[in-house]
Amino acid sequence: NAGVTQTPKFQVLKTGQSMTLQCAQDMNHEYMSWYRQDPGMGLRLIHYSVGAGITDQGEVPNGYNVSRSTTEDFPLRLLSAAPSQTSVYFCASTWTSGGKRDEQFFGPGTRLTVL
Amino acid sequence: AQSVTQLGSHVSVSEGALVLLRCNYSSSVPPYLFWYVQYPNQGLQLLLKYTSAATLVKGINGFEAEFKKSETSFHLTKPSAHMSDAAEYFCAVSRGSGYALNFGKGTSLLVTP
Repeated sequence: NAGVTQTPKFQVLKTGQSMTLQCAQDMNHEYMSWYRQDPGMGLRLIHYSVGAGITDQGEVPNGYNVSRSTTEDFPLRLLSAAPSQTSVYFCASTWTSGGKRDEQFFGPGTRLTVL
Repeated sequence: AQSVTQLGSHVSVSEGALVLLRCNYSSSVPPYLFWYVQYPNQGLQLLLKYTSAATLVKGINGFEAEFKKSETSFHLTKPSAHMSDAAEYFCAVSRGSGYALNFGKGTSLLVTP
């Protein structure tokens, strides 16, 4: 298994540009989530999904959109990038079954800079 | 709501010394608690987790943590620090294993020769 994969690893955007951060997992995990990591702030939850077709907001959702058309993929979209979105983004997935859930597995991260 | 507070953004220890990283939690329900480690330019790796079973939890790389409800703490320890332990450590809490995590701000561990 490749686990949780994220692309790209690095990205530089100009203010106002749009882009999609990709996240995929091959473990058939139902639960997936996006976090952003900023210095001195730890990781903060942006959006999460409990299964295909179901998404919900986390702690810091403004400026980001998500969709979940398949179990494997959970892309994060920035519609109009702002310098405040400069951060490292982590995707995570979790196995679930019958209401039970296991630990979260994290991808390697995408380092985004918005100029 | 759940939250954690990590005491000390930077901790420095000598190689071979005891490592103690502090984490206090706040939770309205019985918490699930986690410690993650992040090496430079890498993702997060789970060190250990508390899921309401044994209060003393042993993890990878010789780390362990003890859940103390009376003190609302979940401190991470390792008897003897190694140079390879230098990393960022995050404490996190959730209302269940696999649910969304609320992270602390992290503690950077420096190990000196």
